[in-house]
Amino acid sequence: EIVLTQSPATLSLSPGERATLSCRASQSVGSYLAWYQQKPGQSPRLLIYDTSNRAIGIPPRFSGSGSGTDFTLTISSLEPEDFAVYYCQQRSNWPPLTFGGGTKVEMK
Amino acid sequence: EMELLESGGGLVQPGGSRRLSCAASGFTFDSYAMTWVRQAPGKGLEWVSVISGSGSGTYYADSVKGRFTISRDNSMKTVYLQMNSLRAEDTAVYYCAKPFPYSDFWRGPVGMDVWGQGTTVTVSS
Repeated sequence: EIVLTQSPATLSLSPGERATLSCRASQSVGSYLAWYQQKPGQSPRLLIYDTSNRAIGIPPRFSGSGSGTDFTLTISSLEPEDFAVYYCQQRSNWPPLTFGGGTKVEMK
Repeated sequence: EMELLESGGGLVQPGGSRRLSCAASGFTFDSYAMTWVRQAPGKGLEWVSVISGSGSGTYYADSVKGRFTISRDNSMKTVYLQMNSLRAEDTAVYYCAKPFPYSDFWRGPVGMDVWGQGTTVTVSS
């Protein structure tokens, strides 16, 4: 099973700042990586699929990059609604589908 | 509008059973493999199970294999999760989800763009 490790666990930033979230895989997942956003009490929301493709309705301030074992989700300029928990997910070695442990982006 | 609506959660004693349902609307249900994902209180997301569009193929996480059964009724546009021999560690919010941008049961969901609101299962005496 591929393990996804996200870092940092918590990111404390202010609105307008750039957020850089990392997801590292225990073995190569190619480009089969997705990112989700989850706010308290809400279901996850798909942001990015296949490393760098934005899902429908996702604003361009969200971008994804990487390949193999190292991936990054970047939020270019944080909006108040972006403070949430973010998860990465891989499907390369399927099944199972695996998720990272999450990164919480909190307001500084 | 595409929607998923889970139901069936509640309080269950250890060793007990529960059946969750997920009703779909707004998309061609039988064209999509459907996935269950759970989230224990204060924890991250855990994939549970998937069923192919026809219902002929299923996969399970090792943590639930032999105890949970996924099924679907395409005429009712509903996917089910039968949970038996429940344990305290099964306590979680259970979500059903639809794959995006296409459905590929054999290679797994690229991403999941439609999620239900979740239904909470609490296993406790």
